[in-house]
Amino acid sequence: GQQVMQIPQYQHVQEGEDFTTYCNSSTTLSNIQWYKQRPGGHPVFLIQLVKSGEVKKQKRLTFQFGEAKKNSSLHITATQTTDVGTYFCAGPSAGGTSYGKLTFGQGTILTVHP
Amino acid sequence: NAGVMQNPRHLVRRRGQEARLRCSPMKGHSHVYWYRQLPEEGLKFMVYLQKENIIDESGMPKERFSAEFPKEGPSILRIQQVVRGDSAAYFCASSPGQGRWDEQYFGPGTRLTVT
Repeated sequence: GQQVMQIPQYQHVQEGEDFTTYCNSSTTLSNIQWYKQRPGGHPVFLIQLVKSGEVKKQKRLTFQFGEAKKNSSLHITATQTTDVGTYFCAGPSAGGTSYGKLTFGQGTILTVHP
Repeated sequence: NAGVMQNPRHLVRRRGQEARLRCSPMKGHSHVYWYRQLPEEGLKFMVYLQKENIIDESGMPKERFSAEFPKEGPSILRIQQVVRGDSAAYFCASSPGQGRWDEQYFGPGTRLTVT
């Protein structure tokens, strides 16, 4: 079945350092979504990428969708303590009969040391 | 505009009891998804529902688990005869259903503990 994998599983950085998490799918994706979950909280939608090679920015966050639409990355510049949490990528599930069903990666847990 | 609401936020059940988890989607959203999350793990899809219809339940165990989204009222995820392995956070998400791949809005989750 389809797999969506993220690396690294954990990342510890000092405040001010950059951070990148990578997402790889076993199948080509029509789109990819990114979510953030704060400790003890719930996932919050960050962005959706649709086009091959697409790059989107949200302040210090840069999201990329690979040319082959099988991988994606999230890069945070100059991390802050407010960036702490787990970052998930999610892609449409292969096969099945339903729209909207997403397969989530296992997430990257980011810790920022002040 | 209220977000997705779930209740209860925390639920403790003894083995063998039933657990009922409720989810009210955002206003105007007609699609509901249920996910399960174990500590430090990703979200596992369980079921996708629209009003009065189960669209995809491929992620839900065949036994003891059921879900519904009636015409009126919240969506319900029901777990019968709970076992310790059912202890997890259960998240509900909703989407408007206007596009094929809408973003999903998550509720605060129900943390189920089975003792």
